[in-house]
Amino acid sequence: EPEVTQTPSHQVTQMGQEVILRCVPISNHLYFYWYRQILGQKVEFLVSFYNNEISEKSEIFDDQFSVERPDGSNFTLKIRSTKLEDSAMYFCASSGPGGTQNQPQHFGDGTRLSIL
Amino acid sequence: ILNVEQSPQSLHVQEGDSTNFTCSFPSSNFYALHWYRWETAKSPEALFVMTLNGDEKKKGRISATLNTKEGYSYLYIKGSQPEDSATYLCAFTGGGNKLTFGTGTQLKVEL
Repeated sequence: EPEVTQTPSHQVTQMGQEVILRCVPISNHLYFYWYRQILGQKVEFLVSFYNNEISEKSEIFDDQFSVERPDGSNFTLKIRSTKLEDSAMYFCASSGPGGTQNQPQHFGDGTRLSIL
Repeated sequence: ILNVEQSPQSLHVQEGDSTNFTCSFPSSNFYALHWYRWETAKSPEALFVMTLNGDEKKKGRISATLNTKEGYSYLYIKGSQPEDSATYLCAFTGGGNKLTFGTGTQLKVEL
């Protein structure tokens, strides 16, 4: 069964450094998402991406964050200058042509980001 | 701010027990309610997407019901097995494609 893959599984970065988290969504999916879960908290929505542009973003997704689909397969999340509070598990997800209203989002295994 | 709540927070049952947990969500601007099963160190796995009031869905021993007017959904597991041990997440969408998650119910099934 096709799946969403994320790399790396664990990223350790110094505060202030840039980090890029990578995702390969399911190949025929059109909607792409990033979520994060800070330890002990709920899974939180960051951003959704459709037709090569951001369709929705949360308050968390400020100017330090950006997303890109540089080619036909990868979907990346960049954090420009990381802060301690960016430490979290970051999940990529994708969904098919109907979006989320009648079909599930498919999640990757996540990237654990640790900021030192 | 949308509030999606799940109860109980955690649950320990014996193998063979049937169990259920609750997800409550805003009853206005409802589009869909998703249930996911999340095992440690794995990705959340989709169980159900529910859209209509009164909807009932079933997948093996797991089933779910939906009441959009009062804003709740129940997830039932019949004859729990150790492999059912996981965190069960519900997520609400009120338009758009963004999912708002609950805190999850952590289920532990003991032999």
